Amino acid sequence: EADIYQTPRYLVIGTGKKITLECSQTMGHDKMYWYQQDPGMELHLIHYSYGVNSTEKGDLSSESTVSRIRTEHFPLTLESARPSHTSQYLCASSDLGTGRRNEQFFGPGTRLTVL
Amino acid sequence: RKEVEQDPGPFNVPEGATVAFNCTYSNSASQSFFWYRQDCRKEPKLLMSVYSSGNEDGRFTAQLNRASQYISLLIRDSKLSDSATYLCVVIRYGGSQGNLIFGKGTKLSVKP
Repeated sequence: EADIYQTPRYLVIGTGKKITLECSQTMGHDKMYWYQQDPGMELHLIHYSYGVNSTEKGDLSSESTVSRIRTEHFPLTLESARPSHTSQYLCASSDLGTGRRNEQFFGPGTRLTVL
Repeated sequence: RKEVEQDPGPFNVPEGATVAFNCTYSNSASQSFFWYRQDCRKEPKLLMSVYSSGNEDGRFTAQLNRASQYISLLIRDSKLSDSATYLCVVIRYGGSQGNLIFGKGTKLSVKP
């Protein structure tokens, strides 16, 4: 089992609220990622980080922001949640390097519903 | 055109059947290849890496054809527990984007 954790697992919240989705991993991985996935649809990369103080936007534009102050922690924040943000958010991490070491380990995800 | 394309599925097969999934990638700079499995409402998990020489893990065989930019996954003697979505994944090193590129996935449903 991968040592990557996400909280909360489920969140139902009203429009306009600020939310932070937590992600932490205990594997010492340098690379961390946030994906957004709607039911039955593909994964979309929204943010990634190659290490502390490194953050980049992914392929899918997102109004969320991320920070990487510690290696093990990669929280995602929405300043003002909207119904269009309703989705599943998956956090992942991997080692830097090539081959099998690039295996991404995923957290269990956070299912966000914005009313 | 998406960078990683897969058979859309769904594939509905009886237990014991042999199933083959195909995947093509458009960027010749892609350097590593994987199959991930995602169960319904769960996170993706690595199934196996894919090597040019082909590799086998029990009932699963993966093949890579770099010249054709084509990846395949063969499942023999399929089990009910194989029902899931299978994601083709390529890694392209360098550039400013995150490395792993996921296909949309092919859904497999194995029936008794």
